[in-house]
Amino acid sequence: KAGVTQTPRYLIKTRGQQVTLSCSPISGHRSVSWYQQTPGQGLQFLFEYFSETQRNKGNFPGRFSGRQFSNSRSEMNVSTLELGDSALYLCASSLPGTSGNEQFFGPGTRLTVL
Amino acid sequence: AQKVTQAQTEISVVEKEDVTLDCVYETRDTTYYLFWYKQPPSGELVFLIRRNSFDEQNEISGRYSWNFQKSTSSFNFTITASQVVDSAVYFCALSGRHYGGATNKLIFGTGTLLAVQP
Repeated sequence: KAGVTQTPRYLIKTRGQQVTLSCSPISGHRSVSWYQQTPGQGLQFLFEYFSETQRNKGNFPGRFSGRQFSNSRSEMNVSTLELGDSALYLCASSLPGTSGNEQFFGPGTRLTVL
Repeated sequence: AQKVTQAQTEISVVEKEDVTLDCVYETRDTTYYLFWYKQPPSGELVFLIRRNSFDEQNEISGRYSWNFQKSTSSFNFTITASQVVDSAVYFCALSGRHYGGATNKLIFGTGTLLAVQP
């Protein structure tokens, strides 16, 4: 079974631009979550989608948004990029269900904002 | 509020030594889940174990073992006879419920960098 895939793997942008990251979950997984990893803040939860609906959201500004499509693929968008948005963005997928399912992570997208 | 504390920032051991990674959590949920993930230098988080709050039985998987104690809110991870390939950052994480609803949101600790020297 193929794992979680994320594209692109690396991205360089400049301040003020916007970026879209993509995540394809493991086949059959309908829950997709996004996390931001930085040296200073560690791993922080961005949002979670289940059946095309945002089920939970972390404490990030409105510049961070996401969506999920009917095939469970998900995208996240960051508008008006800031230097502090430089991070590894990780996507995770899990089986549908209640709570606390095992989550399987993709390799991440390394975003650098100049 | 939910919180995970990994007090050990870095641990260095020599190959074949045993090493224990500590994890302390805080939650008001009565039902919650605890996890350990490994992050090798490649960056991808690798799932190691999941435990629910009603299952305090310790688990052993090869050289890995986990000790879950609700009385001390701890979920510690021991690697026996460590190997160089065990070198990685290890994260403990907690998942609960969101305003009474379902969620898979993970709250991570700050991680412990384990360096196993040959």
